[in-house]
Amino acid sequence: GAVVSQHPSRVICKSGTSVKIECRSLDFQATTMFWYRQFPKQSLMLMATSNEGSKATYEQGVEKDKFLINHASLTLSTLTVTSAHPEDSSFYICSATRTSGGDYNEQFFGPGTRLTVL
Amino acid sequence: EDQVTQSPEALRLQEGESSSLNCSYTVSGLRGLFWYRQDPGKGPEFLFTLYSAGEEKEKERLKATLTKKESFLHITAPKPEDSATYLCAVETYGGATNKLIFGTGTLLAVQP
Repeated sequence: GAVVSQHPSRVICKSGTSVKIECRSLDFQATTMFWYRQFPKQSLMLMATSNEGSKATYEQGVEKDKFLINHASLTLSTLTVTSAHPEDSSFYICSATRTSGGDYNEQFFGPGTRLTVL
Repeated sequence: EDQVTQSPEALRLQEGESSSLNCSYTVSGLRGLFWYRQDPGKGPEFLFTLYSAGEEKEKERLKATLTKKESFLHITAPKPEDSATYLCAVETYGGATNKLIFGTGTLLAVQP
């Protein structure tokens, strides 16, 4: 159990276009989903926290109008990179939390989406 | 400011040569410390969660330990398939629930 999928796994687009990335929890309902960005040889940087039915909370320095997040259900969150530019090229990873009992939640990651903007 | 530091940045071992990876943290209040394994081009794979000093968890050749200042990931008799980047992350009481702060990782290479 606890599988998180992302689609697409890889996308190449032209500068100025918008790209949508989907994150799904396949076998559990996720109370919260997170979106991260990872540049080569660097660690994961949290972009935003997504809760079902409410607006996403963005980290400092992340433009909410550029990175649109929609959390439509307890199993689906989408990240749309609007008007993408080459500097947005990165590895985007989502995660979903599952309540493991008591006060603790487990966080499981998707396989990531490689975005290349030409 | 909450911080997570991992060392070494990279580690090369011979197959069967045991070693340890370090994760030092400075946080206002530790809710949990997490270890993940990440293979190239893939998302992190959950390994362990530790919640209190003195806690230990094991899985196959890996053992994670926790003190009030740091965590160690011990690798016993590693095999080439253990080669990956190992990430440490913390969740704090001061931050948003489930929000993780990641270290920069240790790139482990195990040579046959």
